[in-house]
Amino acid sequence: EVQLVESGGGVVQPGGSLRLSCAASGFTFSDYWMSWVRQAPGKGLEWVANLKQDLSEKYYLDSVKGRFTISRDNAKKSLYLQMNSLRAEDTAVYYCARGLDYSNYFDAWGQGTQVTVSS
Amino acid sequence: QSVLTQPPSVSGTPGQRVTISCSGSKSNIGSNIVNWYQQLPGAAPKLLIFINNQRPSGVPDRFSGSKSGTSASLAISGLQSEDEADYYCAAWDDRMKVGLFGGGTKLTVL
Repeated sequence: EVQLVESGGGVVQPGGSLRLSCAASGFTFSDYWMSWVRQAPGKGLEWVANLKQDLSEKYYLDSVKGRFTISRDNAKKSLYLQMNSLRAEDTAVYYCARGLDYSNYFDAWGQGTQVTVSS
Repeated sequence: QSVLTQPPSVSGTPGQRVTISCSGSKSNIGSNIVNWYQQLPGAAPKLLIFINNQRPSGVPDRFSGSKSGTSASLAISGLQSEDEADYYCAAWDDRMKVGLFGGGTKLTVL
């Protein structure tokens, strides 16, 4: 069974940092693009970043460029999102999602981890 | 305001057919595949339609997708109460090099 389990969320002050992790199981992790998608309270889905299987391509939402870094460890079957200089508007549930390519084609999602940026 | 435009809400009665539109531009829907996601209350999103009109296994054939030019649509026939959810279209944008979601459409079954 394909499973994606996010962790690392929490409450952080503006300007602070958090590192999210996504543990994958039930499939060959190194065969897939991986992405982060977020959802602010009461709002819609927002794509954040994606990363190719071999790490050769990665893309970011403009508002997180320079602050967030997506990475992966294929040996550990894990995806990460390092989030620095956090702002109140980054408050959201962050989902890890599996994709077949760079497009917004996600056939598996985690349950999400809550990130709250507040003083 | 989302680059992909969806109506905020649609409604229908059980058994009816409803459609949800998704309007984009040449650099996103016009150049790439469209996917649709269903998000039930309190749950993670789920892939509903991929590559414009394909259904993953387990998705009823009451759900169908189509794409023409820079627009796409999701149709749900034989509406059921369990279809009450938020629906999102999604596509890649070649010009901005970003993933896009529509603003979401809340389906209410009356």
